Amino acid sequence: QVQLQESGPGLVKPSQTLSLTCTVSGGSISSDTYYWNWIRQPAGKGLEWVGLFETSGTTNYNPSLKSRVTISIDTSKNQLSLKLSSVTAADTAVYYCAREFALWGQGTLVTVSS
Amino acid sequence: QTVVTQEPSLTVSPGGTVTLTCASSTGAVTSGYYPNWFQQKPGQAPRALIYSTSKKHSWTPARFSGSLLGGYAALTLSGVQPEDEADYYCLLYYGGAWVFGGGTKLTVL
Repeated sequence: QVQLQESGPGLVKPSQTLSLTCTVSGGSISSDTYYWNWIRQPAGKGLEWVGLFETSGTTNYNPSLKSRVTISIDTSKNQLSLKLSSVTAADTAVYYCAREFALWGQGTLVTVSS
Repeated sequence: QTVVTQEPSLTVSPGGTVTLTCASSTGAVTSGYYPNWFQQKPGQAPRALIYSTSKKHSWTPARFSGSLLGGYAALTLSGVQPEDEADYYCLLYYGGAWVFGGGTKLTVL
C-alpha cells in the first residue's frame, strides 16, 4: 500500500527558500506513469495547486508561483521535492503532496516568519 | 486569471439530496476539464471522491456521483449522512495547470 509523507522545516524566514520532501513508501516513485503534485492550503482557506512532476520528467507549475517553484524527484531516495524561493508570509500554509490527485500525504505546516 | 467558483455554503437534511456545482470563468465546463471532487474534514487531508467528471475511486461511497450539468461540473450526494458534513472542493484542468475551486461548506442539519 503506497503512502506519502511530507517533511521539512516548519519555520522558514522571509526571503529564504522553502524546501520540502515527500517520501513515497510501499511503491516506487518512478515505476509507473504517474504525476506527482504539490498542493498547499493556508489556515482556514482553500486548496491551491502548486505544481506537478511527471515521471517522464515534465513539470508544470501554477502560473502565479512559476518564477519561484521547482519540483523534482530523487529516485534513489524515492522522494518528491519542492523548493519555493523568496518566501513571504503569504506562503505560510499546510503543504500536501499527492500522487495524481487520488493519494495524499497528511500534510506539513510551514510558517514563514522571522 | 482563471477562477473556479463553487457555492460557499449549502445546508441539507439527513437523508436528503444535494448538488454542489463548479463553474469556470472561461465558460462551460466540459469533460476536457477533467473535473475532480474532494472532501475535506477539519484537521484532515483532502480525500479524493470523483475524477474525470464521474469516475469513482474504489473508496468512494455509492451515494456520491459526479456529472456535467448545464455548463457546470456537479457533485450530487443522495441520501446524505451526518458524516458527509465537510468542505468539498472541485478541481479543473486548464491545459497543463490545475485550478481548485474555493470550496463549499456542506452542513448536514
